[in-house]
This record gives sequence, C-alpha cells and structure tokens, in this order.
Amino acid sequence: NAGVMQNPRHLVRRRGQEARLRCSPMKGHSHVYWYRQLPEEGLKFMVYLQKENIIDESGMPKERFSAEFPKEGPSILRIQQVVRGDSAAYFCASSPGGLEYGYTFGSGTRLTVV
Amino acid sequence: GENVEQHPSTLSVQEGDSAVIKCTYSDSASNYFPWYKQELGKRPQLIIDIRSNVGEKKDQRIAVTLNKTAKHFSLHITETQPEDSAVYFCAGTGNMLTFGGGTRLMVKP
Repeated sequence: NAGVMQNPRHLVRRRGQEARLRCSPMKGHSHVYWYRQLPEEGLKFMVYLQKENIIDESGMPKERFSAEFPKEGPSILRIQQVVRGDSAAYFCASSPGGLEYGYTFGSGTRLTVV
Repeated sequence: GENVEQHPSTLSVQEGDSAVIKCTYSDSASNYFPWYKQELGKRPQLIIDIRSNVGEKKDQRIAVTLNKTAKHFSLHITETQPEDSAVYFCAGTGNMLTFGGGTRLMVKP
C-alpha cells in the first residue's frame, strides 16, 4: 500500500500565478481532508471531500481557493493568484470513512510564493 | 464547531524524565481523540488514540488518559529519549479532526 501520495513535494510560484496540489488517498479510502500548516504553527482544517462531493469547506478561504475530488483521479487543491501569505505546507489526509479510524497523512506539498 | 486547546506550547525535559501534554475540547459529542507526532519537515504520524468509552490506553512508553466529564485528555511519555523530540498534536472530532496548537517537546540528552 503506497500510502497517501501528494505531489509535488515542493512548489515555487510567483505572486499572481496558480498553484495546483494533488493528493491520491490510500487504496480503499474515500474520504480526503486538506490542512494548511504555516511555519511553526499548527494544522488548520481547510476542506473535507468525498468522491465528487464537498462535505465541509468551512476552513477554506472564500476567494482564490477551490478543491475537488473527482470520480476518477486525485483530489486537487487549487489556489489562484497566489500571494506571499499562501506560503505554507499543505497536507492531505485520507480515511476509509468515519473519524474513528483516524487519518493517514501524506508527506505534504511545501508551497513557496516568491 | 470543535475547539481544542493544548498546553504547554513548549516542553523541555531531561532524557529519562516523563513528559505530560494536556488538551481540552469543547464539543461534548467528540468521541475519538488521536495524538500525532510531527518531526521537523515530515508528516504528522498517529502515535496513539483513545475512544470515548475508554478512560486510559497505554502503548509501551506512551499512554493517553481521557476525562469526558471534564472534557480533557492527556498524553504521557515515560522514560523520554532524544528521538521523542518533535511537535505533538492532539485532536478532537466533529465533522473532521480539529487539532490543538501543538507542543514542541525537546528531550535533552
């Protein structure tokens, strides 16, 4: 089992560009969660998705950020018109369904906006 | 939604001593409380968890206790070793895991 796969591991974007972060959950996991971690800070919830559905996006900024988890393929977190404040580590986690199984985290994508 | 507070934010102990990290939560419906360890530059990894029908759980040198009445739970690490140095996060459950702010544990050899 390959675990939760995130790519790219590192992403550098200039201000105003778009960033696309990908997450493939563990085999058999249908629930995906995205978290953002600013340097030296905690894990802040952004969005919770199941296949083709956004279940909870209460932690995601209303502007410039969007997420999807299509029927086929990985989950995508998209940040449009990036700004310096978007520089952070973005972690994806997956679970088989129900939080009592806990999450498995991916290795994260470290986004740097220059 | 759930609100999780974690203390202390930093903790320094001598190798071989015990370390205790405490968390409180707000949602009485929370029923699952995991703890994650995150080493520098790496992913958070689950180290132990406890469900609401259990008061204590132990796994070798780590243990977690839960007081549902008071809505707090704690992580206990005994006989600390330098490799225990990391940031530890507690979490409570609502629709998703809500994490505490983290505790940076430093174990001095």
